[in-house]
Amino acid sequence: EPEVTQTPSHQVTQMGQEVILRCVPISNHLYFYWYRQILGQKVEFLVSFYNNEISEKSEIFDDQFSVERPDGSNFTLKIRSTKLEDSAMYFCASKRDTYNSPLHFGNGTRLTVT
Amino acid sequence: QKEVEQNSGPLSVPEGAIASLNCTYSDRVSQSFFWYRQYSGKSPELIMSIYSNGDKEDGRFTAQLNKASQYVSLLIRDSQPSDSATYLCAVNKGTGFQKLVFGTGTRLLVSP
Repeated sequence: EPEVTQTPSHQVTQMGQEVILRCVPISNHLYFYWYRQILGQKVEFLVSFYNNEISEKSEIFDDQFSVERPDGSNFTLKIRSTKLEDSAMYFCASKRDTYNSPLHFGNGTRLTVT
Repeated sequence: QKEVEQNSGPLSVPEGAIASLNCTYSDRVSQSFFWYRQYSGKSPELIMSIYSNGDKEDGRFTAQLNKASQYVSLLIRDSQPSDSATYLCAVNKGTGFQKLVFGTGTRLLVSP
């Protein structure tokens, strides 16, 4: 069964450094998402992406965050200058083009900012 | 009012019992609803989806939706220790491209 692939599984970085989290969505999916989950808290929406542009973003997704789909297969989340509070599990998700289709999640990248 | 509300639990049931998980949502225009299971440190895994009022059964799982009451539930029959996890209720919100809004999850513990 096709799956969403995320790399790396764990990223440790120092405060102020830039990180790029990578995702390969399911190949016939058209809608792409990033969510994050701080330890012990709920899964929170960050951004949705369709047709090579952001369709919606949350308040969390400020100017330090950006997303890109550089080559038609990868979908990346960049955090320009990481803060301690960015430490979380980041999940990439994708879905087909139908309204009611569910989100399929990758295994996540655990980001630790020290 | 939270967009999606769940009791955080833990809900403890013995093996073989029925586990009942509940969720309420605030946005009346929501049209699709999902239950995900999340093991500790892992990603959410889709269990059930439901779009119409009533019951939807899939194996040991039954999802129930009541749009008038803005209420979604998940029943797990013949609960197994391997069902011990956090169950996330998610509601498809908004127009256009939609996004899933998650509840905080209910932790289920099934004891042997």
